[in-house]
Amino acid sequence: QSALTQPASVSGSPGQSITISCTGTSSDVGIYNLVSWYQQHPGKAPKLMIYEVTKRPSGVSDRFSGSKSGNTASLTISGLQAEDEADYYCSSYAGSSTWVFGGGTKLTVL
Amino acid sequence: EVQLVESGGGLVQPGGSLRLSCAASGFTFSSSAMSWVRQAPGKGLEWVSTISGSAGSTHYADSVKGRVTISRDNSKNTLYLQMNSLRAEDTAVYYCVKLENSLDYWGQGTLVTVSS
Repeated sequence: QSALTQPASVSGSPGQSITISCTGTSSDVGIYNLVSWYQQHPGKAPKLMIYEVTKRPSGVSDRFSGSKSGNTASLTISGLQAEDEADYYCSSYAGSSTWVFGGGTKLTVL
Repeated sequence: EVQLVESGGGLVQPGGSLRLSCAASGFTFSSSAMSWVRQAPGKGLEWVSTISGSAGSTHYADSVKGRVTISRDNSKNTLYLQMNSLRAEDTAVYYCVKLENSLDYWGQGTLVTVSS
């Protein structure tokens, strides 16, 4: 149950695009298409932004997109907006009904 | 609208016990697997435990195995987490989460503080 690896921080200017990576192993990200991404604002509960690698829940902006290659998943946010500033976490199914999270990435909108 | 409302958090001494509850509404509770996820102050998210809809199977993170029991009462649409032998490192906000192919709906969390 080792954590997935995310960069501690990323930043971008309004209107730009950023990508957050999430690196796991062949036992989680690499083998299951059950990677999800969560947005968390300070003092708030996490919110699901992407599930099953590329799918967006109803109500989530299409500026958010997900992808995966091998053991690494990615979240891309295009057309950055001030309200996108938050912590972002990836998660993957890891088999045997267990789940693993990344350490989180702080997104700063400059 | 899916709603998950946790309760039962508070201050407990090391070695003590606490039972968290989560009242669910807005979906067919008995058909949904449920999980607990925790977040220590200033830290990231950590999956704690999952229970199937029928309560027939339960799963735990290594960090809590043997000290924590997840259960549910489908007649009351309520999820529980019994925590024993609590340690300082169990201090965290505990979230009740509905599980489909992702942890799709989260409660607002309840804070558990383990301190003397």
